[in-house]
Amino acid sequence: QLRLQESGPGLVKPSETLSLTCTVSGYSIGSGYYWGWVRQSAGKGPEWIGSCYHAGNSYYNLALQSRAVLSIDTSKNQFSLKLSFVTAADTAVYYCARSRSSDNTLWWFDPWGQGTLVTVSS
Amino acid sequence: EIVMTQSPPTLSVSPGGRVTLSCRASQSVSSSLAWYQQKPGQPPRLLIYGASTRTAGVPARFSGGGSGTEFTLTISGLQSEDFAVYFCQQYNSWPVFGPGTKVEIK
Repeated sequence: QLRLQESGPGLVKPSETLSLTCTVSGYSIGSGYYWGWVRQSAGKGPEWIGSCYHAGNSYYNLALQSRAVLSIDTSKNQFSLKLSFVTAADTAVYYCARSRSSDNTLWWFDPWGQGTLVTVSS
Repeated sequence: EIVMTQSPPTLSVSPGGRVTLSCRASQSVSSSLAWYQQKPGQPPRLLIYGASTRTAGVPARFSGGGSGTEFTLTISGLQSEDFAVYFCQQYNSWPVFGPGTKVEIK
């Protein structure tokens, strides 16, 4: 059964870099699919951050692409997010998820990890 | 960027009832529309993709419809576990989620 689990610091200082890792079990991420990050601020709808592929392709939300970097490590079956120059507006629950698609479409997300709350505060 | 809106923000429904949630896209997304259910403290759970295809394990009381810019999610015979927040998401272009509709007990 495919499972995803986020890990990383729960508190990040303003202007620093948020770093999260998603560990995948039950599937080898080098076998296919894009793998993505989605965040959700309290009481709001989710916001897609970006999705990456084992061959190195990464795609980002235009609003975040200047600050976000996704990477993938097939040897550890993990993928990661780095978000630089964070502010209080980046405080959210961050989820990793498998990005699924059909012919000529981009992605919906299934399944999701349990999520990790990241607070940006000094 | 495509903007997704959902209405109403909150629906009060009695158990056993039927409810229809609406989702609108600011421009056509064809049938590239997914629905998710989220309960407090849990991640979103995929219910429907392709506007009307239920994913594995989703009960038949959930049905999706629509195409272009107007979409609906109908839940028939509401059960206690269905009271939650529901989000739509378009994936015809870069993924964008709606703000959600909360289905609460009347």
